[in-house]
Amino acid sequence: GESVGLHLPTLSVQEGDNSIINCAYSNSASDYFIWYKQESGKGPQFIIDIRSNMDKRQGQRVTVLLNKTVKHLSLQIAATQPGDSAVYFCADLNTGFQKLVFGTGTRLLVSP
Amino acid sequence: ETGVTQTPRHLVMGMTNKKSLKCEQHLGHNAMYWYKQSAKKPLELMFVYNFKEQTENNSVPSRFSPECPNSSHLFLHLHTLQPEDSALYLCASSQDPGTVYEQYFGPGTRLTVT
Repeated sequence: GESVGLHLPTLSVQEGDNSIINCAYSNSASDYFIWYKQESGKGPQFIIDIRSNMDKRQGQRVTVLLNKTVKHLSLQIAATQPGDSAVYFCADLNTGFQKLVFGTGTRLLVSP
Repeated sequence: ETGVTQTPRHLVMGMTNKKSLKCEQHLGHNAMYWYKQSAKKPLELMFVYNFKEQTENNSVPSRFSPECPNSSHLFLHLHTLQPEDSALYLCASSQDPGTVYEQYFGPGTRLTVT
């Protein structure tokens, strides 16, 4: 069935390091991918998105890479800061079905 | 603040109780969603309302009853819940059904069923 999963449940990094969070998806018909950040006590917050006709998209300190060949998505955070500590979710969308499918999340822990 | 508020933030209820969760969005959106977030599981879509009409019921048990009196408010009525229903219940909204990819989430209600 359709699923979106994450390789690691927890990622620990030092402040200033670059972080890479990975996600695998199974639906080859997905045409839109989103990364969310969820801080403790808050709901998920949109970070960055990418369409299936793109391989890379950059935001402020974040970059999303999409490899459709292996159905893999990654979120790169440059110069990770303590405020980046949160759970990060990927989600995919088949615009024909208009429903987001979420992954389980990776907890990012940033040490000072 | 995302413009989506939820009350209460925490709720403890017995299996025979009846309670309601409330969601309000101040964004002028026309689509609203209920999700269930359990530990170590992906967000599960429960219900979708577009322009006050329910367009999705993701095989949710009848002990969960949604209500959308207008585009700004969404309720989730709970009755005779089970302990496995304990979870974080998230409300979200988007501009319209076509912008499902741009959802704004509330902070959630942490529900504990005893």
